[in-house]
Amino acid sequence: DAMVIQNPRYQVTQFGKPVTLSCSQTLNHNVMYWYQQKSSQAPKLLFHYYDKDFNNEADTPDNFQSRRPNTSFCFLDIRSPGLGDAAMYLCATSIYSAPEETQYFGPGTRLLVL
Amino acid sequence: RKEVEQDPGPFNVPEGATVAFNCTYSNSASQSFFWYRQDCRKEPKLLMSVYSSGNEDGRFTAQLNRASQYISLLIRDSKLSDSATYLCVVNGGFKTIFGAGTRLFVKA
Repeated sequence: DAMVIQNPRYQVTQFGKPVTLSCSQTLNHNVMYWYQQKSSQAPKLLFHYYDKDFNNEADTPDNFQSRRPNTSFCFLDIRSPGLGDAAMYLCATSIYSAPEETQYFGPGTRLLVL
Repeated sequence: RKEVEQDPGPFNVPEGATVAFNCTYSNSASQSFFWYRQDCRKEPKLLMSVYSSGNEDGRFTAQLNRASQYISLLIRDSKLSDSATYLCVVNGGFKTIFGAGTRLFVKA
């Protein structure tokens, strides 16, 4: 059974049209992460939630926002997608944010911006 | 300098070969280390954690050298199914850094 679920798996949007990607987890993990991965590049952490505490990476553009209404769900909002935002967006969870904690990834949402 | 650097790859090896991947990291305060595997167009999946004492899981052996800030992964008796991208991951508290990955192709 899938433990970290991402919807949709593929998303096509228009330049400048807001889009929301969703992630849910059945693991009851405290921490949820959003990564952006472009072709042949490393996943890049955008932000993470520890419970309700939001932690933004310093170089994450303001265009990217996130919401976590409850433990199970976390959303990535891209307010005005640009062509450069086309990528795979990966959601991950971990029990805690301790360094030794492994992260469990969802299957990702591939975003295409036209 | 990138925070986590890996062999550029790709590595093309025959079945049964032994292949080694290297990874270096720049932050000496890093606390935990992992190897993840990522298949094409799929999500990363944990392969193994890396400990200072070294650890082995079947055909896979991981080593950590904190003094040199160096991590390695050795795959013995390569299988076709080992073909994937191998990501080195370094975690220092709240910051998780992925390497760009090394692609491995195992051929019959």
